Amino acid sequence: NAGVTQTPKFRVLKTGQSMTLLCAQDMNHEYMYWYRQDPGMGLRLIHYSVGEGTTAKGEVPDGYNVSRLKKQNFLLGLESAAPSQTSVYFCASRSTGDTGNTIYFGEGSWLTVV
Amino acid sequence: AQSVAQPEDQVNVAEGNPLTVKCTYSVSGNPYLFWYVQYPNRGLQFLLKYITGDNLVKGSYGFEAEFNKSQTSFHLKKPSALVSDSALYFCAVRPAGAPGTYKYIFGTGTRLKVLA
Repeated sequence: NAGVTQTPKFRVLKTGQSMTLLCAQDMNHEYMYWYRQDPGMGLRLIHYSVGEGTTAKGEVPDGYNVSRLKKQNFLLGLESAAPSQTSVYFCASRSTGDTGNTIYFGEGSWLTVV
Repeated sequence: AQSVAQPEDQVNVAEGNPLTVKCTYSVSGNPYLFWYVQYPNRGLQFLLKYITGDNLVKGSYGFEAEFNKSQTSFHLKKPSALVSDSALYFCAVRPAGAPGTYKYIFGTGTRLKVLA
């Protein structure tokens, strides 16, 4: 009963390094999302995908790239990490239609950029 | 601009007392409304949602929420708080219709502290 799984859970990066966060869901959901959570700012949408092979920008896309090569996976990349990208990152997914209104979240990935 | 407001950063309540966590929204059309709870170092867990129908919806862990269209509010309530309810609560709105149906708008969160 995995749901939405994110790896890694914790990571420390040096400024300028690159990394990829992996999100995998086993619910056959069409829509997937990457959010970042910062104190006092709630959740902000970075990028999202409405299906395999498609991606779109959210509220705060700068400095991030994404890919959805397989339906079950949604990757978030940081090409050149900056301290401003220190945050908690959440992946989420949902299905389509009336039953697909509820978003399901992963457990989060804590990223620190020093 | 479409938005969700949680006017209280923190709510303190004594164990056994009723609790209310407030949420108001500003979106066009008839939105879908959600409450999520986040425990420390965990992801967000779905509590309940309002799509249509009865204005009072019941969810997990004894929580309920009341949709008030005229006041554009969706307050979270529980008749008797437990210490284990202490967590961060997020209200979210999915604006109805297209475009933008893919995007959910989250409030900034309210920290609930239940005191023993």
